[in-house]
Amino acid sequence: SQQGEEDPQALSIQEGENATMNCSYKTSINNLQWYRQNSGRGLVHLILIRSNEREKHSGRLRVTLDTSKKSSSLLITASRAADTASYFCATGGVGGGYNKLIFGAGTRLAVHP
Amino acid sequence: EAGVVQSPRYKIIEKKQPVAFWCNPISGHNTLYWYLQNLGQGPELLIRYENEEAVDDSQLPKDRFSAERLKGVDSTLKIQPAELGDSAVYLCASSLMGIDEQFFGPGTRLTVL
Repeated sequence: SQQGEEDPQALSIQEGENATMNCSYKTSINNLQWYRQNSGRGLVHLILIRSNEREKHSGRLRVTLDTSKKSSSLLITASRAADTASYFCATGGVGGGYNKLIFGAGTRLAVHP
Repeated sequence: EAGVVQSPRYKIIEKKQPVAFWCNPISGHNTLYWYLQNLGQGPELLIRYENEEAVDDSQLPKDRFSAERLKGVDSTLKIQPAELGDSAVYLCASSLMGIDEQFFGPGTRLTVL
């Protein structure tokens, strides 16, 4: 079963605009990770935020985590056509133990030139 | 540094036939994962290895799926016999023990006719 749910399922924007994707989950976590998947490719790790962190930045990426609402958001600023991909959130350390990742269904982002 | 290598990239078989997928993780990564990704969904864990030991195979359908990692390096995932519903992308990932980030291979796209 998948714990994370991304919203929206699909997003279409113009180059230069910002893209925001949201992720909600159901149980307590150790960390939350975001991955990108280009068509026909494997997943690429983007950023990890731990349960005791509220915000993290990496280049044009900004991730927030609200453990009280069990939600996270990924913001991509000044988007480029090359950002076109599917973006997945994955919750880690659900229920304690090792870092088993549970992925959501993903948000498909299309950035138009 | 070479990434996670998977072969074949594509496989088309008739139902009831056997099929095998191979994965070579990043050098030095002692943790190896096999995931199943259905169209439009996020990956779901099938099995996780720590070195040569399968430490989480609770999601592996053991009636038809098997996996091995004999020397704690590369791994093989087998399906016998394949069913129509097994059509999906099979992803392999690896990580260093205790490190949360996982590195994914490009996947094997299986089509069962």
